[in-house]
Amino acid sequence: AQKVTQAQTEISVVEKEDVTLDCVYETRDTTYYLFWYKQPPSGELVFLIRRNSFDEQNEISGRYSWNFQKSTSSFNFTITASQVVDSAVYFCALSQYGNKLVFGAGTILRVKS
Amino acid sequence: DSGVTQTPKHLITATGQRVTLRCSPRSGDLSVYWYQQSLDQGLQFLIQYYNGEERAKGNILERFSAQQFPDLHSELNLSSLELGDSALYFCASSGSGPQAFFGQGTRLTVV
Repeated sequence: AQKVTQAQTEISVVEKEDVTLDCVYETRDTTYYLFWYKQPPSGELVFLIRRNSFDEQNEISGRYSWNFQKSTSSFNFTITASQVVDSAVYFCALSQYGNKLVFGAGTILRVKS
Repeated sequence: DSGVTQTPKHLITATGQRVTLRCSPRSGDLSVYWYQQSLDQGLQFLIQYYNGEERAKGNILERFSAQQFPDLHSELNLSSLELGDSALYFCASSGSGPQAFFGQGTRLTVV
């Protein structure tokens, strides 16, 4: 069975601090996909990034970066120089190609000015 | 804008009633997924359709049903509603890639 664990329920930081959101996953599949989604207070789910199990390259996109490590089954997400607009719930998710997403419980990020 | 359209955005109804949530997937996407987001259960997969056929089922209650029509839009029917069915219901679609695109959700409140 697939499982995603986001151990951090809630994180509060002050603007301009860096923050890392942890994600640990479990799967027996050799091919799988990992995702991060953002859910702002307005409620929609916004796709941030996708990684497949064969691609362990870390990625940086502006203030966002992702660290995928198969050896520890982790796919962590870092926001550099956080801003108030980053306040949201962040979900890590896992799927096989074309199949359902299995979501973690989410991490509430509060960025204070 | 993800290209996935869900209607209505908000729905308030009484216990025991039946409602229908509608989803129009992104143009060309054959797969449609329904998810339920509640405070106690988090984001849970309900059901997937692919080109009109049911493909996978999650923790969907027997009181709930779904279908995908020839034009690929999908409907989620919730009947004999209970207070605990109050949740945000998301539809997502996917095409040739592994990524699912989510609609804005329908917030259902059962009173």
